[in-house]
Amino acid sequence: KAGVTQTPRYLIKTRGQQVTLSCSPISGHRSVSWYQQTPGQGLQFLFEYFSETQRNKGNFPGRFSGRQFSNSRSEMNVSTLELGDSALYLCASSLRDPYYNEQFFGPGTRLTVL
Amino acid sequence: GENVEQHPSTLSVQEGDSAVIKCTYSDSASNYFPWYKQELGKRPQLIIDIRSNVGEKKDQRIAVTLNKTAKHFSLHITETQPEDSAVYFCAARSGNTPLVFGKGTRLSVIA
Repeated sequence: KAGVTQTPRYLIKTRGQQVTLSCSPISGHRSVSWYQQTPGQGLQFLFEYFSETQRNKGNFPGRFSGRQFSNSRSEMNVSTLELGDSALYLCASSLRDPYYNEQFFGPGTRLTVL
Repeated sequence: GENVEQHPSTLSVQEGDSAVIKCTYSDSASNYFPWYKQELGKRPQLIIDIRSNVGEKKDQRIAVTLNKTAKHFSLHITETQPEDSAVYFCAARSGNTPLVFGKGTRLSVIA
């Protein structure tokens, strides 16, 4: 069974631009969560989606948004990029509820904002 | 909301020795505590988890203990090997709330 995939793997953008990241969960998984990973800060929760509905949202500004499609694929968008948005963005999928089922992480998208 | 503190931030041990990483959490309602291992340049992977109705769980050289009264849980790795070198993250969650991660411990096993 294929694992969680994320595209693109690397991105370089300049301040003020916007970016869209994509996550394809493991086949059959319906829950997708997004995290921002930066050195020294660990993993910080962005959003959690289940069956196209956002169930939880982290403490990030409104420039960060996401959505989930009917095939469970998910995208996140960051508008008006800032230098501090440079990070590794990880998504994780689980069968249904991350509480009851293991979360499997994708390889991440490394975003660099210049 | 939940806050998870993880210590130490870096840990070096000799091969064959044991390693212990400790985490404390603030929300007494938290009831799920996973540990993830992230090797350099790779994705985090779940290595063990424990739920609040259990005090200890073992899987070969890895064990996790949970003290709900004190609100702390620990990861124990025995007979460490060079391939155990990685960053380890603890996390906690309550019900359907998101996982809250600690800031990570960089473990180096010296051969």
